[in-house]
Amino acid sequence: DQQVKQNSPSLSVQEGRISILNCDYTNSMFDYFLWYKKYPAEGPTFLISISSIKDKNEDGRFTVFLNKSAKHLSLHIVPSQPGDSAVYFCAASARKSSGDKLTFGTGTRLAVRP
Amino acid sequence: DTAVSQTPKYLVTQMGNDKSIKCEQNLGHDTMYWYKQDSKKFLKIMFSYNNKELIINETVPNRFSPKSPDKAHLNLHINSLELGDSAVYFCASSPGSSYSGANVLTFGAGSRLTVL
Repeated sequence: DQQVKQNSPSLSVQEGRISILNCDYTNSMFDYFLWYKKYPAEGPTFLISISSIKDKNEDGRFTVFLNKSAKHLSLHIVPSQPGDSAVYFCAASARKSSGDKLTFGTGTRLAVRP
Repeated sequence: DTAVSQTPKYLVTQMGNDKSIKCEQNLGHDTMYWYKQDSKKFLKIMFSYNNKELIINETVPNRFSPKSPDKAHLNLHINSLELGDSAVYFCASSPGSSYSGANVLTFGAGSRLTVL
């Protein structure tokens, strides 16, 4: 039962353009969402998060949007840079019921072309 | 100075053997985790410890036994290894549920286990 889904396994974007990575979830108890970035042979590193009481959170070039009614979130990277090439994981937690347990999607591999 | 370090990075072993993966964090975090990333790239939680106390134990075979000697260490011991145990195992830590941003995990670099 995959509660967090990233339906695009890969995405290729030109440097300087916008990258949009999508994530869907099914568990209405999820109240906190995170994006992690992973380079080869390294562990995932935290990028940005959003609480379910918000619909947008911005940090520099990275913005996460949350649409609770659609159970959908997206990560926008603008402008995209070659160093952004990595696998991006969406993750969610239901803090009231499951505490710190994170449920991850399967990741989207982003390639930013110079 | 590595925040979450796990050893070994690579482990190749035969079916039926027993092996351990060690994890240490120097962030002063209260909570530590083991996640497994299988061949389909799913990252799934296996265990979580808070101040040496087990708080999350997902549906994991009891051949897997975590041990937390102190809150900075969480080791994973696997008995009678099977082919299906081949995966990348990630250790992680977080400040703990009493802090804001408690769900922000810091991951180690992973330990790739190959069972032949």
